[in-house]
Amino acid sequence: GAGVSQTPSNKVTEKGKYVELRCDPISGHTALYWYRQSLGQGPEFLIYFQGTGAADDSGLPNDRFFAVRPEGSVSTLKIQRTERGDSAVYLCASSLTPGTETEQYFGPGTRLTVT
Amino acid sequence: AQTVTQSQPEMSVQEAETVTLSCTYDTSENNYYLFWYKQPPSRQMILVIRQEAYKQQNATENRFSVNFQKAAKSFSLKISDSQLGDTAMYFCAFMREIGNDMRFGAGTRLTVKP
Repeated sequence: GAGVSQTPSNKVTEKGKYVELRCDPISGHTALYWYRQSLGQGPEFLIYFQGTGAADDSGLPNDRFFAVRPEGSVSTLKIQRTERGDSAVYLCASSLTPGTETEQYFGPGTRLTVT
Repeated sequence: AQTVTQSQPEMSVQEAETVTLSCTYDTSENNYYLFWYKQPPSRQMILVIRQEAYKQQNATENRFSVNFQKAAKSFSLKISDSQLGDTAMYFCAFMREIGNDMRFGAGTRLTVKP
């Protein structure tokens, strides 16, 4: 079956602009995660959804970052007033259930470049 | 807070040889899970192997095995009979038993040479 997909694969935007990054999880997966991977670093946890609600958003760096999952499937990560420091690969992952019992399946990521 | 350290930014190994990637972590938790992920140039993270901290037996998955030393907070990955397709970034990760925020190390770039 289809894996986790993310669109766009690459996004270039100017400083100060607004961007939306989309994640389509594996069908039936209730848990969805967003990570940010800066150059030369490992992924950094941003936010986790269980169903439609954000169960843990402790990793969001500031209030310019926001994510939604209105129907419990597709999720959108939204970044307002982008800054050059937001440039990174944004990874999405989903798992059948939350927690450590089931594997997180990752998408290929969206590379965001803020000029 | 939990931290994960991978002290080898880059490693290389000859095809068919064995290589070990190091990982240490810091936590005050007693129960937790450890993972090794592979990230090829396609960027898609792939789970290689996982270890539950309460299990004393080291996990194995075909050519991949771990050496889990709980007291030393060490979790190394051994790749036997290395193949060209093993060339990738490898990330060590930690997750609390009750938690959903996986913590990753900075990664080790492994190159398998023909």
